[in-house]
Amino acid sequence: DAKTTQPNSMESNEEEPVHLPCNHSTISGTDYIHWYRQLPSQGPEYVIHGLTSNVNNRMASLAIAEDRKSSTLILHRATLRDAAVYYCILRPYNNAGNMLTFGGGTRLMVKP
Amino acid sequence: DSGVTQTPKHLITATGQRVTLRCSPRSGDLSVYWYQQSLDQGLQFLIQYYNGEERAKGNILERFSAQQFPDLHSELNLSSLELGDSALYFCASSTQLADTQYFGPGTRLTVL
Repeated sequence: DAKTTQPNSMESNEEEPVHLPCNHSTISGTDYIHWYRQLPSQGPEYVIHGLTSNVNNRMASLAIAEDRKSSTLILHRATLRDAAVYYCILRPYNNAGNMLTFGGGTRLMVKP
Repeated sequence: DSGVTQTPKHLITATGQRVTLRCSPRSGDLSVYWYQQSLDQGLQFLIQYYNGEERAKGNILERFSAQQFPDLHSELNLSSLELGDSALYFCASSTQLADTQYFGPGTRLTVL
């Protein structure tokens, strides 16, 4: 399975944009890039996903490099509630099991 | 609130015992997944059911088993418990196989 590499932790100031990077140099053509986050004492929560084009939703934006070997999750204005562990996950389109393979993720700390 | 419910929230038991964790998926979701989160192993996929049938198996021990009932709720049975089984157990559900997964709040199992 293709692996992802993320920084262990990042810090941000409240109300500033945050760019969370993810490297996935061995990504295959059928792998979707998914982002989930886990707030303290809660289960993981879906954030966004994409294949080739950049994606936006109410929570975040996903910028995917042209060669798809890296991606960036963008939180446009970080709030204290965005402090969480963010996981970048590759999911094959034809994943028969459809399970999510979590790595270590990036722990985002947001300072007031 | 994801719509996925898990009971109980907390469970404290002794080594050698057997416990059952219960999960009710979101209304209409056919697929249920079980994940284990421990401090040393992170979030790991255990097993998936789709409409009552086992679909995929991950790093699930032989002492663990699961099933999905006709009403689509699922149970994870853990037997001959060891100290190392202490962890958070999450259930997730999705509508179809390739859809976004919605996670429950988890059951925290402590084995003494």
